Amino acid sequence: QSVLTQPPSASGTPGQRVTISCSGSSSNIGSNTVNWYQQLPGTAPKLLIYSNDQRPSGVPDRFSGSKSGTSASLAISGLQSEDEADYYCAAWDGSLNGQFGGGTKLTVL
Amino acid sequence: EVQLVQSGAEVKKPGESLKISCKASGFSFTSYWIGWVRQVPGRGLEWMGIIYPGDSDTRYSPSFQGQVTISADKSISTAYLQWSSLKASDTAMYYCARGNGWVPAATKFDYWGQGTLVTVSS
Repeated sequence: QSVLTQPPSASGTPGQRVTISCSGSSSNIGSNTVNWYQQLPGTAPKLLIYSNDQRPSGVPDRFSGSKSGTSASLAISGLQSEDEADYYCAAWDGSLNGQFGGGTKLTVL
Repeated sequence: EVQLVQSGAEVKKPGESLKISCKASGFSFTSYWIGWVRQVPGRGLEWMGIIYPGDSDTRYSPSFQGQVTISADKSISTAYLQWSSLKASDTAMYYCARGNGWVPAATKFDYWGQGTLVTVSS
């Protein structure tokens, strides 16, 4: 059971905006930065957002991240079929070291 | 080009030992962290531990402390994950990843290996 809580699933239609939440506590999100990873079916995870709201080179600006207090969010605008994947938040925890959220399966309807 | 190439799939019996590898290239191996992540089939990602090959500083998740050993050989830019006595519950895909950050708390996994599937079955 992860200390970072994500909804198990999310969905949207092409072109829509969807958000995925990641809830933590003062010992993790509240005091450290959040990263987001995208895992397409059958592939290794890929860094999507780092340091709460930074996009690595090559990641479309449709993807954005934010953090407030002990929660973080990933937003995907202009949803596309190729965005169908599992999304994981991650943060350092002062007691537990590195932590991933449980993951959110995004379905594009 | 940054690359992390992991060793091939393994099939082992309970109680056997195993060491899998992650060969790095395209960057200074001693200037980045290398992390290991477990993914049980059909389940989410689990952070196992991280090592800084420059000084062998290693941190483990409490869930994996004492269950696995993470090490690195600077001379061949290779990190390792090993078990002394495998269990069926160790069956999973294991990924290594480059940790980019000054300290573990600020580290992001920006490059990933292709994964090593470990199957433990009698």
